[in-house]
Amino acid sequence: QQPVQSPQAVILREGEDAVINCSSSKALYSVHWYRQKHGEAPVFLMILLKGGEQKGHDKISASFNEKKQQSSLYLTASQLSYSGTYFCGTANSGYALNFGKGTSLLVTP
Amino acid sequence: DTGVSQDPRHKITKRGQNVTFRCDPISEHNRLYWYRQTLGQGPEFLTYFQNEAQLEKSRLLSDRFSAERPKGSFSTLEIQRTEQGDSAMYLCASSLSETQYFGPGTRLLVL
Repeated sequence: QQPVQSPQAVILREGEDAVINCSSSKALYSVHWYRQKHGEAPVFLMILLKGGEQKGHDKISASFNEKKQQSSLYLTASQLSYSGTYFCGTANSGYALNFGKGTSLLVTP
Repeated sequence: DTGVSQDPRHKITKRGQNVTFRCDPISEHNRLYWYRQTLGQGPEFLTYFQNEAQLEKSRLLSDRFSAERPKGSFSTLEIQRTEQGDSAMYLCASSLSETQYFGPGTRLLVL
């Protein structure tokens, strides 16, 4: 079951904050966040496991609400390097990930 | 520490031809995954291996697709009788735990 991401696209000025949401209609075991730049492979950002707490490093953090089957990725004080497409991947059971359609983020000077 | 590598990086083929892609996972990663990604979409799961055993295969994977990981190290993905709809980026990922690390992908164009 493909998770739903919102918004589809967002444009920010450098230094602004953004939130990207990911929701699933099925119970989740884990949520994985990746960033992909054009023509490149997805790069792992972080993973949130069932029963885990909010995670973060530097200015990127994420939360996982198991009851609502939702996760949010928080980008604070955005930098130009944050531009790209953000994907959430969800695992219901096992190791196969179901990815959303992605959120395109553009940070402008 | 080398990451996941894939070969070739690009492949152009004619409809009806067979193609084979190779993936070398991060050393000591026991799980290896294949995904397909088309323009504007997220990666779509195809299959995964734990060591040499193929443990899960997407229902979307037609009989023209086959994957192997004979010695539990590198893996190959073969597409027989390619169709134009097979044009996509084929991504390989590997993991030791839940975190999957992706390779650069093989971009396939079927003419």
